[in-house]
Amino acid sequence: KQEVTQIPAALSVPEGENLVLNCSFTDSAIYNLQWFRQDPGKGLTSLLLIQSSQREQTSGRLNASLDKSSGRSTLYIAASQPGDSATYLCARRAAGNKLTFGGGTRVLVKP
Amino acid sequence: NAGVTQTPKFRILKIGQSMTLQCAQDMNHNYMYWYRQDPGMGLKLIYYSVGAGITDKGEVPNGYNVSRSTTEDFPLRLELAAPSQTSVYFCAAAGGGRSLETQYFGPGTRLLVL
Repeated sequence: KQEVTQIPAALSVPEGENLVLNCSFTDSAIYNLQWFRQDPGKGLTSLLLIQSSQREQTSGRLNASLDKSSGRSTLYIAASQPGDSATYLCARRAAGNKLTFGGGTRVLVKP
Repeated sequence: NAGVTQTPKFRILKIGQSMTLQCAQDMNHNYMYWYRQDPGMGLKLIYYSVGAGITDKGEVPNGYNVSRSTTEDFPLRLELAAPSQTSVYFCAAAGGGRSLETQYFGPGTRLLVL
């Protein structure tokens, strides 16, 4: 069974600190790894997608890395802001564009 | 474009009742998905469809049914609601080719079964 794990489940940091969110998966034969943001009571918004052939992907203050050999992906958010407070989910893509999600990391950035 | 829309936003059901969760997309995407998200957990795939007339089971299909008569609509049916089906349900759509990579999510339907 393919599993995706996110640790920690919750994280609280002061504004300005860098955020490091971890995602691990059991099968290295992935198509891609995707990071989503979910605000309370809302749907999911795609942040970054890393192809299996890539090592990292960047968008603004966000940087995601992928290490297939160790089954890990990390999302870095530089200089965190209160507006970054949300739940962040990673998802591993399998055939048929089916996604297997981790449990998410709930982030609180304190002003 | 509205993207992916879901109705209703919230519903309370009694045990044994039935209902249909509606999902529609105006992006002309072939792939559509239904997920459920339990409190503090990630999303689990219930059913998915790769095009009109084609549906397939996901990870947790028991207690649900789907149909895909058009590209735009992908309703999810609960026939005999059970407390274990209390959850938030998300519908998603994805295109083909390179755009196959990104799934676009609706805002969700919160369901409470009492």
